[in-house]
Amino acid sequence: AQSVTQLDSHVSVSEGTPVLLRCNYSSSYSPSLFWYVQHPNKGLQLLLKYTSAATLVKGINGFEAEFKKSETSFHLTKPSAHMSDAAEYFCVVSSFSGSQGNLIFGKGTKLSVKP
Amino acid sequence: DTEVTQTPKHLVMGMTNKKSLKCEQHMGHRAMYWYKQKAKKPPELMFVYSYEKLSINESVPSRFSPECPNSSLLNLHLHALQPEDSALYLCASSWGEPNTGELFFGEGSRLTVL
Repeated sequence: AQSVTQLDSHVSVSEGTPVLLRCNYSSSYSPSLFWYVQHPNKGLQLLLKYTSAATLVKGINGFEAEFKKSETSFHLTKPSAHMSDAAEYFCVVSSFSGSQGNLIFGKGTKLSVKP
Repeated sequence: DTEVTQTPKHLVMGMTNKKSLKCEQHMGHRAMYWYKQKAKKPPELMFVYSYEKLSINESVPSRFSPECPNSSLLNLHLHALQPEDSALYLCASSWGEPNTGELFFGEGSRLTVL
């Protein structure tokens, strides 16, 4: 069975400081993993994805994530937060179960950025 | 700018009304999705169309009726909704097999049922 756990429902950082949003997954198959961002009253936008190539994945807006199989983690980081990064972030795992693809969303982490 | 376009952006309807939400994409994607999102929650999958055929229906009440007229269009017909159906309805599309890869989302249609 597949599952994804975002370890923090809310993270607050100051502008210019590092961002860490944590995600752990469980999958019986080789997973693909994604981070999406959702700004208020907007749709979701893909930040980055892991699909069994390089374990360190770089995305848009300076975000990156590292796939660690031994820790079943896919944490999202950014060296320096910007006010525009304030949003909801979703970690998503994709894998096959039987004959059907399966996308599982985490519950989301709200990122607040203080001036 | 999103390449998945949803209309209308906002919709208010009474419980006896019939309305439709529309979604359009011109990226050549063959899988299209409807998600429902309540405040402070992740999106919940409602329907998936693959090559214009309904492939997944997540036990959604019949007052929601999806339609895929062609590979670029996806509709969600609404009838006799309840106030608890008020939510943001998101359309998405993707390449390849459904539910396996990157989703491209529209900005959503915010529905209020009075």
